[in-house]
Amino acid sequence: QKEVEQNSGPLSVPEGAIASLNCTYSDRGSQSFFWYRQYSGKSPELIMFIYSNGDKEDGRFTAQLNKASQYVSLLIRDSQPSDSATYLCAVRGSYIPTFGRGTSLIVHP
Amino acid sequence: SQTIHQWPATLVQPVGSPLSLECTVEGTSNPNLYWYRQAAGRGLQLLFYSVGIGQISSEVPQNLSASRPQDRQFILSSKKLLLSDSGFYLCAGAPDTHTEAFFGQGTRLTVV
Repeated sequence: QKEVEQNSGPLSVPEGAIASLNCTYSDRGSQSFFWYRQYSGKSPELIMFIYSNGDKEDGRFTAQLNKASQYVSLLIRDSQPSDSATYLCAVRGSYIPTFGRGTSLIVHP
Repeated sequence: SQTIHQWPATLVQPVGSPLSLECTVEGTSNPNLYWYRQAAGRGLQLLFYSVGIGQISSEVPQNLSASRPQDRQFILSSKKLLLSDSGFYLCAGAPDTHTEAFFGQGTRLTVV
């Protein structure tokens, strides 16, 4: 069974710090990797995707992928209170996107 | 851009009543479509997915069913709701097997 594992948290960081979120996956055939942000009571929204090994940066967000270690991470620089949410890691290699259970991030002023 | 319209946003239904949740897709044709359920504080549980009209795969045997009568329409149904059917239901779509899934606004279902 394909699995995506995330630490449920909560991860608490001070405003302005770097938040580091991690994810591991079991299916070596996975080809696409995504990070979603989900505010309480809302649906997930895509914030980053990465297909190749290495780093991908978009504004304050950096996604990192290591296929050999089956590991994906998301770094959020200069964290803001508005970044407080649950972050879902998702992988695809077939019809079905597989989601982790999410990591709760709390950014305190 | 791709958009999923899902309604209603909230729903309160008595035990034993029927259910019909509908979502429609704009901006892409022949998408892969999904119904997920999210219990409070939990992850996304895949209920059904569809790769085309009339093609439905069930991931979890339960009190629910799904149908895809048109390319961009996906319906989640139940004949008799149970208390355990309460949750946050999300319709999602993806243009192909490698790109991201995009979500509707979700339906908060409470069975009383």
